[in-house]
Amino acid sequence: GAGVSQSPSNKVTEKGKDVELRCDPISGHTALYWYRQSLGQGLEFLIYFQGNSAPDKSGLPSDRFSAERTGGSVSTLTIQRTQQEDSAVYLCASSPEGGGAEFFGPGTRLTVL
Amino acid sequence: GDSVTQMEGPVTLSEEAFLTINCTYTATGYPSLFWYVQYPGEGLQLLLKATKADDKGSNKGFEATYRKETTSFHLEKGSVQVSDSAVYFCALTSLSNTGKLIFGQGTTLQVKP
Repeated sequence: GAGVSQSPSNKVTEKGKDVELRCDPISGHTALYWYRQSLGQGLEFLIYFQGNSAPDKSGLPSDRFSAERTGGSVSTLTIQRTQQEDSAVYLCASSPEGGGAEFFGPGTRLTVL
Repeated sequence: GDSVTQMEGPVTLSEEAFLTINCTYTATGYPSLFWYVQYPGEGLQLLLKATKADDKGSNKGFEATYRKETTSFHLEKGSVQVSDSAVYFCALTSLSNTGKLIFGQGTTLQVKP
C-alpha cells in the first residue's frame, strides 16, 4: 500500500477483555515499530521488529502485552486482560532499514471502560 | 539513558511571527535527530531530520541544525502561518537504541491570524 495502515481505527473494550491491533507496514520495509501515545506519558516506544524477529521488546509495559510479525510484513499487537491505564493511541511505524521510524500509521485509539 | 527535552508549550504566535522551539538531547554516541509534526486530527509526520553534526534539516520553511557542541536541535521558521498550528515533537535515534525513536514531550503551537 501507499502508507502504513492500522486497524481498527477505534476500539472500545471492557476491562479484562483481550484486544488485537493490526499494522500493515509499507511494502518492503524491514523495520517495524510500535509506539503508544497517551496524555500522561507522551510518545512511548513499545517494540521493534527487524523482519520477523523482535530484537528490542524493552518498551512493553507488562507481560499482558505481546506482539508478533509474520512474513516480514503484517504485525499484531495483543493486549490481554486490558486495564483502564491501557487506554491510549497505539501507533505503528515502518522504515526501510531501521535507524528511525519515519512513516507512521494513523493509529488505533483504544478505550478501556 | 538517552533523552530529549523540549521547551514547554503551548506557544502562541501571530501570523508571520518568527518561531523557535527549543530541543536539547542526551545521548551516547552519535544520534540522528528528527522533528515530527502532528496536525489536529492527523497522524505523526516526519518534518525534517539531520544525521550528523552541523547538518541542517529543512522542509516547508522549517529548519533545524544539529549542534553537537550544545547538544541541541532547535526548530525555526521565519514566518509562521495559521496552517502551522500543530504539535511538534523532537526525537532522536541511535544504533545503541536499535533505531527506536525517543521523543520529547511535544510542544503545541497555535498561530493566530
